[in-house]
Amino acid sequence: DTAVSQTPKYLVTQMGNDKSIKCEQNLGHDTMYWYKQDSKKFLKIMFSYNNKELIINETVPNRFSPKSPDKAHLNLHINSLELGDSAVYFCASSQDQGTGDGYTFGSGTRLTVV
Amino acid sequence: LAKTTQPISMDSYEGQEVNITCSHNNIATNDYITWYQQFPSQGPRFIIQGYKTKVTNEVASLFIPADRKSSTLSLPRVSLSDTAVYYCLVGLRLTGGGNKLTFGTGTQLKVEL
Repeated sequence: DTAVSQTPKYLVTQMGNDKSIKCEQNLGHDTMYWYKQDSKKFLKIMFSYNNKELIINETVPNRFSPKSPDKAHLNLHINSLELGDSAVYFCASSQDQGTGDGYTFGSGTRLTVV
Repeated sequence: LAKTTQPISMDSYEGQEVNITCSHNNIATNDYITWYQQFPSQGPRFIIQGYKTKVTNEVASLFIPADRKSSTLSLPRVSLSDTAVYYCLVGLRLTGGGNKLTFGTGTQLKVEL
């Protein structure tokens, strides 16, 4: 069983389109995250939800909107896609009391905007 | 959040011990030191975590001096499959729950025959 699963794995789309990436975790974790990894391999946190409540919102354009229907799911919707949005997006989850050891990452969604 | 500094890349040969050192001069009292491993086309994977002194598990050892301003990840007898990027992080537990991990540039370890 995949602990943190993301769909789709690859996404190629044109500028200006709207797309969504879905994430689900079956670990029973309370907190979920979205990270962005750019071409230089820097991993940056974008959002974090704890029990469906937004607790971290880094400096991310308003075009990015996370949604957490329940604590097992955290989806990412992106409006008006731009070339600079091309990256690998990772979903992750952790226990509420985690100090950094309990992160489980998904395998990533490679987004290419053309 | 404490910033970390680690070598950009390291090369090694199969069977050797590899030590990757990370500097975190402004680590806070409550911060833990955590190492993650990332293979190409995969998400990072937890390796080991420590607060002070030495921690050992089935994968690696983590050495942390008394001042905690640096740490060293030790991989015994590496193999080709250990070729990956290794990230050193210091984590701070947030009041509202969850944890905001800040990843640095990581160290690209290349293991050859």
